[in-house]
Amino acid sequence: GENVEQHPSTLSVQEGDSAVIKCTYSDSASNYFPWYKQELGKRPQLIIDIRSNVGEKKDQRIAVTLNKTAKHFSLHITETQPEDSAVYFCAASMGSNYQLIWGAGTKLIIKP
Amino acid sequence: NAGVTQTPKFHILKTGQSMTLQCAQDMNHGYMSWYRQDPGMGLRLIYYSAAAGTTDKEVPNGYNVSRLNTEDFPLRLVSAAPSQTSVYLCASSYAPRDCTDTQYFGPGTRLTVL
Repeated sequence: GENVEQHPSTLSVQEGDSAVIKCTYSDSASNYFPWYKQELGKRPQLIIDIRSNVGEKKDQRIAVTLNKTAKHFSLHITETQPEDSAVYFCAASMGSNYQLIWGAGTKLIIKP
Repeated sequence: NAGVTQTPKFHILKTGQSMTLQCAQDMNHGYMSWYRQDPGMGLRLIYYSAAAGTTDKEVPNGYNVSRLNTEDFPLRLVSAAPSQTSVYLCASSYAPRDCTDTQYFGPGTRLTVL
């Protein structure tokens, strides 16, 4: 069936270190892969997205990589800061009408 | 622009009662969707509408939706059950017929069914 697996469920890193979150998807026809950040008590917000015709995309300290052959994509955050603490969700477009299927989320904890 | 708004913010229902969760957007977005968010489960799609007046997905049991115009997308719980206790998030995006565009979320409705 259509699913997106996200790992790890919780990630704790020292401030200043890098964090990597990985997602795998089931539908080889998926063509859109966004990442959302949800801070405590707030609504999810898009932080970066990538389409299937691109292998990597960067925006300052965050980057996303896509491996279509292996059907997985990853979020990379460098030089982590306290404000990066949040739950991060990946998603992939699937189905005949390209619905978004979401991962279960990763709680990122930045240790001072 | 107010963006995506949802009402109410919180609500408690008894089993068997019905209610409507309201969602509205003022960005002239065609694509709107409803999700439920439960701890450790991510966001689960309940229903989406690609444009006003269209129905694009079979609605799960226990829910009813309508999309009479571009701005409003209410979600009705027909006969509430405890399994429907969740945070309900409404989202909209510009993409004309699908979800491959930035999703703008509302603040959510926290619903408890006793």
